[in-house]
Amino acid sequence: DAGVIQSPRHEVTEMGQEVTLRCKPISGHDYLFWYRQTMMRGLELLIYFNNNVPIDDSGMPEDRFSAKMPNASFSTLKIQPSEPRDSAVYFCASRRGQTAEAFFGQGTRLTVV
Amino acid sequence: KQEVTQIPAALSVPEGENLVLNCSFTDSAIYNLQWFRQDPGKGLTSLLLIQSSQREQTSGRLNASLDKSSGRSTLYIAASQPGDSATYLCAVNSGAGSYQLTFGKGTKLSVIP
Repeated sequence: DAGVIQSPRHEVTEMGQEVTLRCKPISGHDYLFWYRQTMMRGLELLIYFNNNVPIDDSGMPEDRFSAKMPNASFSTLKIQPSEPRDSAVYFCASRRGQTAEAFFGQGTRLTVV
Repeated sequence: KQEVTQIPAALSVPEGENLVLNCSFTDSAIYNLQWFRQDPGKGLTSLLLIQSSQREQTSGRLNASLDKSSGRSTLYIAASQPGDSATYLCAVNSGAGSYQLTFGKGTKLSVIP
């Protein structure tokens, strides 16, 4: 398996623009997580899905952030409008079952100028 | 709310030394704990998963222990090598019906040749 695949790897955008981050989980995994990593706050859970259904989105910082999982093999995290404080590395992870090992993608480094 | 702490934040050791990384968590009602490694600018690589019913797990030179009742885990690295230099993160799969991973901020390890 190719692992969790995220795209793009790097994104530079201007403040106010819409940004869409993409994730393809490992085939057969029914949990998908979106995390944000910054130097100050470390890894923070934004939202997670089980069987394509959002379970907990309490970590989504504000209404500018939205996430979807239209099918078992694809998820998006959208920021609209983007702000400089959204600059961070965004990770997607997937897992098969409630207590199995989680696997992470390589991340998307987002810079909002 | 589950909180995960890793001490120290950074550690520097000479090559060949055995070392221990520490992780503590506030809520002992966990399903499992996972140790990850993160190289600069890269994603997270899973090292070991230890279920709540287990006391330890081993993989090569790595050994992870778990004391759920005291809210502690350790990652023991034997005969350290310069290639072990990275940031090590522990993550707790919380209980009470929430299956999300909560991360510590990591320990940055430098192994000096």
